[in-house]
Amino acid sequence: AQTVTQSQPEMSVQEAETVTLSCTYDTSESNYYLFWYKQPPSRQMILVIRQEAYKQQNATENRFSVNFQKAAKSFSLKISDSQLGDTAMYFCAFIGTNAGGTSYGKLTFGQGTILTVHP
Amino acid sequence: KAGVTQTPRYLIKTRGQQVTLSCSPISGHRSVSWYQQTPGQGLQFLFEYFSETQRNKGNFPGRFSGRQFSNSRSEMNVSTLELGDSALYLCASSLTTGFGHSEAFFGQGTRLTVV
Repeated sequence: AQTVTQSQPEMSVQEAETVTLSCTYDTSESNYYLFWYKQPPSRQMILVIRQEAYKQQNATENRFSVNFQKAAKSFSLKISDSQLGDTAMYFCAFIGTNAGGTSYGKLTFGQGTILTVHP
Repeated sequence: KAGVTQTPRYLIKTRGQQVTLSCSPISGHRSVSWYQQTPGQGLQFLFEYFSETQRNKGNFPGRFSGRQFSNSRSEMNVSTLELGDSALYLCASSLTTGFGHSEAFFGQGTRLTVV
């Protein structure tokens, strides 16, 4: 079974600054994907960024980037130039796949980190 | 393009009753998954359906069941409700068989309160 751990229950950052959210995971699977999801007060879960485990290059989406350390099973999210709209709960998530790359929709989530961006 | 629609948004039920929640995926999406979100347990996987077949199931009692229709719409049912079933129930849809192949889109959830 896989587990996902987010050790920071809450984080805060000033607008325009950079913040890093931590995530570690444990799995015996060799093929998997990692995700960061954002859940604002509206409760809508939104995909922020995705990393395929077989890719060594860290994923980047505009102001969001990850530091994927496969050997250490670490997957942190860096948010640059933080904006007020980034205030939300952030979840790190894992999904395993079979050898053919097919997964079965079973996301394992961390406990979440509440991020507050202050003006 | 319409997003994932969950109905109802809010629901209050009494212990012992049963409840049915509905999820309409994005048009063309064939995979639908359900998650339970509580402050104590966080987000937990319930089950996933693809082309009307349950492909994966989480560790929930048999009181939790689901199904998917030919139009990919899905329902989940909870029978004999307990206070601990109070939660936000989230539905997610994706185009193919899993999130690794395509992005999963979540609905806004159904807030179930059991009294």
